[in-house]
Amino acid sequence: NAGVTQTPKFRVLKTGQSMTLLCAQDMNHEYMYWYRQDPGMGLRLIHYSVGEGTTAKGEVPDGYNVSRLKKQNFLLGLESAAPSQTSVYFCARPDFPDEQYFGPGTRLTVT
Amino acid sequence: AQKVTQAQTEISVVEKEDVTLDCVYETRDTTYYLFWYKQPPSGELVFLIRRNSFDEQNEISGRYSWNFQKSTSSFNFTITASQVVDSAVYFCALSEAKTGANSKLTFGKGITLSVRP
Repeated sequence: NAGVTQTPKFRVLKTGQSMTLLCAQDMNHEYMYWYRQDPGMGLRLIHYSVGEGTTAKGEVPDGYNVSRLKKQNFLLGLESAAPSQTSVYFCARPDFPDEQYFGPGTRLTVT
Repeated sequence: AQKVTQAQTEISVVEKEDVTLDCVYETRDTTYYLFWYKQPPSGELVFLIRRNSFDEQNEISGRYSWNFQKSTSSFNFTITASQVVDSAVYFCALSEAKTGANSKLTFGKGITLSVRP
């Protein structure tokens, strides 16, 4: 999954702590996405970006903020983590011709 | 709003059996894309196939085949002669096709397939 890298791979937070997940793409795509995966729920879109300096809400944006200061990077922030945000987080970018290419995921546990 | 339903949650088969994974979708768009992704136990998401709404031809790739029927809003996936390595979670997904890969994906909840030796 060298096309999309995610940092960190694993993290354990305590309730109320904050953290930032970093997604970096190896291409120059305008669009980038953050999804979360929960058991029995599939993947759900949190936020996405249509270009540098732009962000938009997806299906489940509450409790998260995002920033796209540089085209290659898309950051997902949790200001005050809650146990409900325990999940696996996937970042994605478009892939030719019409697919999305996913990063390896970040497994986050909030205790 | 778009919706993808994968009614089967878990399927268990014995190696060499054929298995079909069902996917039913809802969309108001006339142009859209359908996808299948595989998530093996290692956790990464692996793209399997994309089909646009104008192409109802069935597709075969080795032991994998896909049946797209607009009349029933279904995009089913069949694995022939299943193998243990096919054990994974399989997701069906839908996107609007206005901007192709730049469109958001709506996923089904996934089907966990276990293939026993």
